[in-house]
Amino acid sequence: NAGVTQTPKFRILKIGQSMTLQCAQDMNHNYMYWYRQDPGMGLKLIYYSVGAGITDKGEVPNGYNVSRSTTEDFPLRLELAAPSQTSVYFCASSYGAGLNSYEQYFGPGTRLTVT
Amino acid sequence: DAKTTQPPSMDCAEGRAANLPCNHSTISGNEYVYWYRQIHSQGPQYIIHGLKNNETNEMASLIITEDRKSSTLILPHATLRDTAVYYCIVRVAGDPSAGKSTFGDGTTLTVKP
Repeated sequence: NAGVTQTPKFRILKIGQSMTLQCAQDMNHNYMYWYRQDPGMGLKLIYYSVGAGITDKGEVPNGYNVSRSTTEDFPLRLELAAPSQTSVYFCASSYGAGLNSYEQYFGPGTRLTVT
Repeated sequence: DAKTTQPPSMDCAEGRAANLPCNHSTISGNEYVYWYRQIHSQGPQYIIHGLKNNETNEMASLIITEDRKSSTLILPHATLRDTAVYYCIVRVAGDPSAGKSTFGDGTTLTVKP
């Protein structure tokens, strides 16, 4: 299994541009998550999904959108990029509800700079 | 989800046990304690989790106090590769919104030769 994959690894955006961060998992996990990590800080949840067609906001959803049309993919859309969105973005997945379900598997991250 | 408190940094000598504390005094009865670590700029890696009994796996041991208000992650023989940020998180298993809990700032463990 490839686990959780993210593309691109690095990206530089100009203010006002838009882009989509891709995330895919091949573990048949129901739950998927997007986090951002600012320098020297912990991870903050942006959006999450408990299954195809179902998404919900996390702690810091403003400026982002998500969709979940398939179990495998969970893209994150940035509209009108702002310098405050400069961060490292991590995608994660977990099997679902249950005793051992919240073992999350993380992707390698996308480093985004908005200038 | 209950909040956690961890020391910002700790040092450990290579080959010695690393004991990382976590305070979760407001934990509720159905919340589990999870530990993750993040090496350099990689994605976080799951280590271990538990409810009220002590747990051990190939990576570490988790000791949870009887009142469940605190826990300690133990790396029995720390190596230089264990240098990382360690996160302690409490979550309700089986709750679809449990993933909303934010990773705090964690403890930066530095293993020294």
